Amino acid sequence: GIQVEQSPPDLILQEGANSTLRCNFSDSVNNLQWFHQNPWGQLINLFYIPSGTKQNGRLSATTVATERYSLLYISSSQTTDSGVYFCAVPRDGSGNTGKLIFGQGTTLQVKP
Amino acid sequence: EAQVTQNPRYLITVTGKKLTVTCSQNMNHEYMSWYRQDPGLGLRQIYYSMNVEVTDKGDVPEGYKVSRKEKRNFPLILESPSPNQTSLYFCASSYTGSGAYEQYFGPGTRLTVT
Repeated sequence: GIQVEQSPPDLILQEGANSTLRCNFSDSVNNLQWFHQNPWGQLINLFYIPSGTKQNGRLSATTVATERYSLLYISSSQTTDSGVYFCAVPRDGSGNTGKLIFGQGTTLQVKP
Repeated sequence: EAQVTQNPRYLITVTGKKLTVTCSQNMNHEYMSWYRQDPGLGLRQIYYSMNVEVTDKGDVPEGYKVSRKEKRNFPLILESPSPNQTSLYFCASSYTGSGAYEQYFGPGTRLTVT
């Protein structure tokens, strides 16, 4: 089955710094999502990004499907960005069955 | 507001006492699913449903039951909970139409079985 690897596993930033999180996947997919799990455990949808680049405020994401990776950029980080960031892809690659495979996540801590 | 709701958000119970965690979505999604999240194991799928009266097992279905009698609701049933079912549970939903597979997650239910 598809393998999803995220890096780095842990990241500590000073407030205001920029960062890049990476998600590699082992097979072709036609959709990919990024989530933020906040310290209270809630999973927040960040991006649905099968390919190309999207931006939402200080966050942006790029997926290069042909090279099987996606990047999440966080600029001017704030303490509220702390938490775990997950990428997820369809188990069967196409998304037709709805099953998602999650990476193990990147734990981000932003210090004031 | 488009959302997935779960209840209860927090639950502490005892071994063997049947419980139900409800999940409801207001987006008319065909697909619904339950996941559990455990430290070191990540998010794993328990059961999913492609539409009303259509359900199937995910990766870790043992000890759980589901039903899909209405499109908006997808309850998770633990007939005889055990301590190894202590976990954080998420319900999710999405369309299954062409090209629109973005999944939306509920706020989570923290279950402790003593």
